[in-house]
Amino acid sequence: EVQLVESGGGLVQPGGSLRLSCAASGFTFSSNWMHWVRQAPGKGLVWVSHINGDGTSTTYADSVKGRFTISRDNAKNTLSLQMNSLRAEDTAVYYCARDNFLGFHDYWGQGTLVTVSS
Amino acid sequence: DIQMTQSPSSLSASVGDRVTITCRASQTISNYLSWYQQRPGKAPKLLIYAASTLQSGVPSRFSGSGSGTDFTLTISSLQPGDFATYYCQQSYSTPRTFGHGTKVEIK
Repeated sequence: EVQLVESGGGLVQPGGSLRLSCAASGFTFSSNWMHWVRQAPGKGLVWVSHINGDGTSTTYADSVKGRFTISRDNAKNTLSLQMNSLRAEDTAVYYCARDNFLGFHDYWGQGTLVTVSS
Repeated sequence: DIQMTQSPSSLSASVGDRVTITCRASQTISNYLSWYQQRPGKAPKLLIYAASTLQSGVPSRFSGSGSGTDFTLTISSLQPGDFATYYCQQSYSTPRTFGHGTKVEIK
């Protein structure tokens, strides 16, 4: 059974940093692209970033480019999102999602809440 | 960036009703379109991908159609568990933009 479990969320002050993790199981992790998608409270879904299977190619939304870094450890079946210079508008539930080889997100984690506030 | 416009933003319907949600892309995206269902407090769930392919395990009352710029999600007979918010997303290019969502409420 495919499982994605996010962790690392919490309360952080503006300008601070946080590292999110997503533990994957139930599939060959290195075979799939992976994504981060976020959702601000009461708002819609926003794609944040993706990474290819071997970690050599990454893409970011303009709103996080230069501040967030996506990475993966295929030996540990773990996806990460390093978030620096956090702003109030980064407050959201962050989901990791698997790409089904066709560009669609077929499995999602339960999400982890990041709150940026002083 | 490709803009995805969903309509309506919300609708009220009864159990057993046929419901149609539309999604329009600001430029052609071929069939790189998916639909997700999100219940309150839960993660999104993939319903339809490649515009019309039903994800494994999803009931057949859900269907998708369209190609190019105009797409439709249809629920043939609304069930109690279908009251949720529905999002379309294009995966033709990055950023992988979502529509703003359609909230399906109980009439």
